[in-house]
Amino acid sequence: EVQLVESGGGLVRPGGSLRLSCAASGLTFRGYSMNWVRQAPGKGLEWVSSISSTSGYINYADSVKGRFTVSRDNAKNSLYLQMNSLRAEDTAVYYCAGVPTMFQGGPRLPPPEKSFDYWGHGTLVTVSS
Amino acid sequence: DIQMTQSPSTLSASVRDRVTITCRASHSINIWLAWYQQKPGKAPKLLIYKASTLEGGVPSRFSGSGSGSEFTLTINSLQPDDFATYYCQQYNSYPWTFGQGTKVEIK
Repeated sequence: EVQLVESGGGLVRPGGSLRLSCAASGLTFRGYSMNWVRQAPGKGLEWVSSISSTSGYINYADSVKGRFTVSRDNAKNSLYLQMNSLRAEDTAVYYCAGVPTMFQGGPRLPPPEKSFDYWGHGTLVTVSS
Repeated sequence: DIQMTQSPSTLSASVRDRVTITCRASHSINIWLAWYQQKPGKAPKLLIYKASTLEGGVPSRFSGSGSGSEFTLTINSLQPDDFATYYCQQYNSYPWTFGQGTKVEIK
């Protein structure tokens, strides 16, 4: 059974930092590009960031560019999101989600066959003073 | 950025009804569209990808169609388990974007 388990969420003050983790099991982690998708309370879904299998291709939403950094450790089957300079509008449940391709986000590459087929349960980040 | 617009935002329906949700893209996305189902407090679940390909394990009452900029999700014979919020999502170009969601409620 595939499991993606996020951790690291919590309450942080505006301007603060937080590091989210996502531990994967039951799937060939190296065969997946990984993403962070967030959902503000009562709102819709927003893609945040993607990272390809060997970290060669990394993309960010404009809303987090320069503040968030995505990384992964294939030896530990883990995905990370370092979030700095947090703002109230970053308050959301953060999901990690897998795309079954090694090369998501590469320039001049076609889209993957399939989008997010595995999701974690999410971790809540609350930015408030 | 490609904007995804779903209609309606809310839909009231009864068990065994046929339900159709529309998703429009602000630019052509070819067939690179996915549909998700989300229940309260849960992660989204992939239903359909490449506009019309059913994800494994998803009941055949769900179907998707369309290409270019207009897409539909159809649920034939709505079941009690289908009352949820549905999102479309384009993965043709970055940033990948979602529709605002369609909540399917019990009439």
